[in-house]
Parts: sequence; structure tokens; C-alpha cells
Amino acid sequence: GENVEQHPSTLSVQEGDSAVIKCTYSDSASNYFPWYKQELGKRPQLIIDIRSNVGEKKDQRIAVTLNKTAKHFSLHITETQPEDSAVYFCAVDAGGTSYGKLTFGQGTILTVHP
Amino acid sequence: GAGVSQSPSNKVTEKGKDVELRCDPISGHTALYWYRQRLGQGLEFLIYFQGNSAPDKSGLPSDRFSAERTGESVSTLTIQRTQQEDSAVYLCASSLGGSGSYEQYFGPGTRLTVT
Repeated sequence: GENVEQHPSTLSVQEGDSAVIKCTYSDSASNYFPWYKQELGKRPQLIIDIRSNVGEKKDQRIAVTLNKTAKHFSLHITETQPEDSAVYFCAVDAGGTSYGKLTFGQGTILTVHP
Repeated sequence: GAGVSQSPSNKVTEKGKDVELRCDPISGHTALYWYRQRLGQGLEFLIYFQGNSAPDKSGLPSDRFSAERTGESVSTLTIQRTQQEDSAVYLCASSLGGSGSYEQYFGPGTRLTVT
């Protein structure tokens, strides 16, 4: 099955700095790579996603880059704010006939210090 | 419109009892997923329903776990003879389904505590 590795497990930055979280995956058939943000005690919420036919996608302060050859993708948050503090999860779809079935990384606890 | 809902929000049960967790997906979503999230951990896939296809049960951890879905609506996750290691938040998600419609919307979860 799919194996997703996420690093780092914890990340501490000062407000205004950038934060980068990286995930690697094993299944070359995967085509969909979402990132979810989960605040304490809340449900995961999609913040950005990318399909395999593009290398980069940006939405205001958040961007995702994908390297399909190397099988890794990264979340970039610029000008971080204290409200960005949360757990971030990457995920990878199964591809093939199991499209939509996601395998999640173990999560990164991001703390933004004011 | 209404999002994914789950009930109960919290469930405390004694070891050895059976529990049923309910998920109501977003109307019109053909795909439904169950995940388990232990404290401080990631999301562990349990089972996936897509339309009328046979469910993908590959993530169910033991035969004590089962799930059903009525058509393209409500789903129930049943855990028989609960054990303390079953304590976790159980999250349900739904998506439109079909290729190109992958975004999953999560419910608030059911926090299960087995004493």
C-alpha cells in the first residue's frame, strides 16, 4: 500500500517567517495531493490541493509544490501568523480505481510565536 | 448547506460493549470514508464507500469493526466487544465521488472512550 512520510513532526517559527513542510510518497500512480489543517479539537479542513498535472499551486500565503519524479510535495506558508498554528497533514490518493482513497502523513505541529 | 454530521459527539462505553457511530454525509456526495484518529496521531483510514461499488474495507483493524451504508446516505460504523485501544476520535468524511471530485469534507468526529 501507499507509504506517506511527513517531516518535520514539529515546527516552530516566529511570526512573519516562512514555514515549509515536506511529504514523500511511494505509489507513482497517485494523482491527488491535498493538505489539511486541523486546529485543536476541530475537524480537518482542506487548505490547498494539487493534481499531478501541475508542479505548483498558490493561494495567497499558501503554496504547494509537487515533484512527481522524486515523489515528494511540499507546503509553503509565507508571512506566518499566530492563527496559522495548528497541525498540518499531507495526504496522497491511491490512484487507479481507488481514486479518492487517501493515505495521510503523521502530521506536523506548527507553532507560530508572536 | 449542511455539512457532514456525526453522532454521538462523545461516547463513553465499558470494555466489551458494542457501539454504533453514525455519519450523515453531505447530500449528493456518493463517496463516504471513515477514519480513526488516536490522540496526537494522524488519520488512519478504515473503510471507503463509493456509490454502489463494494466497499474498500482494507483499513478495518479487526473483525470487530464493520460498517454499512444505506444507499448514498447515512453510514454506521459498528465496533463489537470494544477494547481500550479502540479509544479514539472516529472521523467521517464525504466527497462528490467520481474522477476529478476528490475533495473530502470532514464531520466533527465522535470521541469514543472505552473504560
